[in-house]
Amino acid sequence: EVQLVQSGAEVRKPGESLKISCKGSGYSFTNYWIGWVRQMPGKGLEWMGIICPGDSDTRYSPSFQGQVTISVDKSISTAYLQWSSLKASDTAMYYCARRFTTDAFDIWGQGTMVTVSS
Amino acid sequence: QSALTQPRSVSGSPGQSVTISCTGTSSDVGGYNYVSWYQQHPGKAPKLMIYNVSERPSGVPDRFSGSKSGNTASLTISGLQAEDEAEYYCTSYAGSYTRVFGTGTKVTVL
Repeated sequence: EVQLVQSGAEVRKPGESLKISCKGSGYSFTNYWIGWVRQMPGKGLEWMGIICPGDSDTRYSPSFQGQVTISVDKSISTAYLQWSSLKASDTAMYYCARRFTTDAFDIWGQGTMVTVSS
Repeated sequence: QSALTQPRSVSGSPGQSVTISCTGTSSDVGGYNYVSWYQQHPGKAPKLMIYNVSERPSGVPDRFSGSKSGNTASLTISGLQAEDEAEYYCTSYAGSYTRVFGTGTKVTVL
């Protein structure tokens, strides 16, 4: 079965760091870009960025450039999204998704809820 | 980069058709044939329903169809069913490896 499995919910304090993961299985992980999407509570979807697992080529949406880091470890078919200093406004559900054609994402992870609160 | 504009909500009775619009600019919707539509039920991950303006992934009912004219894309759901009640988001490629989502539309089955 083709799937993306994300790491579990996280609770952190403002200023702390965090790295969440997205593990692909059932397909050739290096052949498909992985994107990250934010959904703040009760709000819509926002593209954060995208990474090519084959060569780690990474592109960020302007709103998220410098705010997060997207990386990948192709040896374990896992993509990552990380923060060096969390803010309360980072509280959201984060999804990873596989890009299967020019610009469509067919497989989605189950989401990771990140809560940042003092 | 502004979000694409969608109506906040649309509704219809079972069996009817509803159409959701998605308005952007010549830099996104109007400039590329890379518009996709996603369905999201509460508490669930989005699901791809339409890609490349009008193509349906395997497993998506043919009740769902997509089109585009100028800077506006549309998703039509024909023969509305109870399970179609969900939030729908359009998204478009916007050049330079960027993409933008729509504001989202709540579809209610009366």
